Amino acid sequence: AQSVSQHNHHVILSEAASLELGCNYSYGGTVNLFWYVQYPGQHLQLLLKYFSGDPLVKGIKGFEAEFIKSKFSFNLRKPSVQWSDTAEYFCAVERQLTFGSGTQLTVLP
Amino acid sequence: DAGVIQSPRHEVTEMGQEVTLRCKPISGHDYLFWYRQTMMRGLELLIYFNNNVPIDDSGMPEDRFSAKMPNASFSTLKIQPSEPRDSAVYFCASSHTGAGGNIQYFGAGTRLSVL
Repeated sequence: AQSVSQHNHHVILSEAASLELGCNYSYGGTVNLFWYVQYPGQHLQLLLKYFSGDPLVKGIKGFEAEFIKSKFSFNLRKPSVQWSDTAEYFCAVERQLTFGSGTQLTVLP
Repeated sequence: DAGVIQSPRHEVTEMGQEVTLRCKPISGHDYLFWYRQTMMRGLELLIYFNNNVPIDDSGMPEDRFSAKMPNASFSTLKIQPSEPRDSAVYFCASSHTGAGGNIQYFGAGTRLSVL
């Protein structure tokens, strides 16, 4: 069975700080990988996805993620966070999405 | 398209009552998913359908939960009888097969409180 691990449960940053959220998955085959974001009181929205090709994928709002097959990782990054990035971030794998436990990001103004 | 539509947005009920949550997927999508989100357990997949057929219901917690999809544009998740531990936000999502597929689009969720 596939599983997804997000190591950071709660991350607190100041505005303009750089962000990296870890995501590791356990699945030996070809994978489709996703990051979803859930802003306070809202539903999940797709941030970015990786299906194939360039392992560095760019998403909305300046987010990017790098797929490293050898490390089974798909970490999310942003060079400079904003207060409006405060949200919960979920890494997910495959069609029948297996979600990580989520990382709550709080950006202090 | 209006996106995935869920109703009601909020539901407050008493223990033992029947609860029915509704979902209208995006037109043309052939997959429909039901999730439950709680602080304790995070986001859990309950069941998903493909072309109106339930494919995997292993996430359904117990027999009190049931889901149906009578047609391509409507699905229900029913809890009978409801219990306080069922309190959660229930999300419906849909996706489609094909290029650009596998992306799930989520509804706004139904916040269920069982007293």
